[in-house]
Amino acid sequence: GAVVSQHPSWVICKSGTSVKIECRSLDFQATTMFWYRQFPKQSLMLMATSNEGSKATYEQGVEKDKFLINHASLTLSTLTVTSAHPEDSSFYICSAREPPYGANVLTFGAGSRLTVL
Amino acid sequence: GENVEQHPSTLSVQEGDSAVIKCTYSDSASNYFPWYKQELGKGPQLIIDIRSNVGEKKDQRIAVTLNKTAKHFSLHITETQPEDSAVYFCAAILMNRDDKIIFGKGTRLHILP
Repeated sequence: GAVVSQHPSWVICKSGTSVKIECRSLDFQATTMFWYRQFPKQSLMLMATSNEGSKATYEQGVEKDKFLINHASLTLSTLTVTSAHPEDSSFYICSAREPPYGANVLTFGAGSRLTVL
Repeated sequence: GENVEQHPSTLSVQEGDSAVIKCTYSDSASNYFPWYKQELGKGPQLIIDIRSNVGEKKDQRIAVTLNKTAKHFSLHITETQPEDSAVYFCAAILMNRDDKIIFGKGTRLHILP
């Protein structure tokens, strides 16, 4: 089946630094990827829809300047948390819609745990 | 937009017994209902899904039922095993390649030995 790889799986950084998380579709092309954020014991909160070759669509309340999304190719989307602060610590998960796209099946990455000190 | 309610938030079941998780949705146009299982520290994985033209679907110990009139659907796990312990999420979608997937709040299932 379709595989989505996410890297790094965990990262610890100092407050004020920027962190980049990569999401790759390994065996299929993904024109659309989704970024979710998950707090402990809570559901997945959709942050943004990443569209290949165009700007990401952010959900209400998500700061686009804080969470930069780039979908430069059909197999790679990146999420950059800029000037990270402790409140940005969370589990970030990406997903991609695998073909046939009309089937709407999402494959998720394994997630990236960000800890900001 | 679509609103998905999921119950219960936590469920403890004796190993070997059955577990049922229920979801309701608000948009009667929704026509695709996936269930995801998330183990600790991992991303969610699709375990079963159902489309609105079907009332029930089964895959070994897992089944999903859909009542379109009442706008609710349920996940049934029979003969539960320790490895079934996880968080389960439901979703309701109008199938369209640009549609977002909104998840329920999740159910934490504990299988008791």
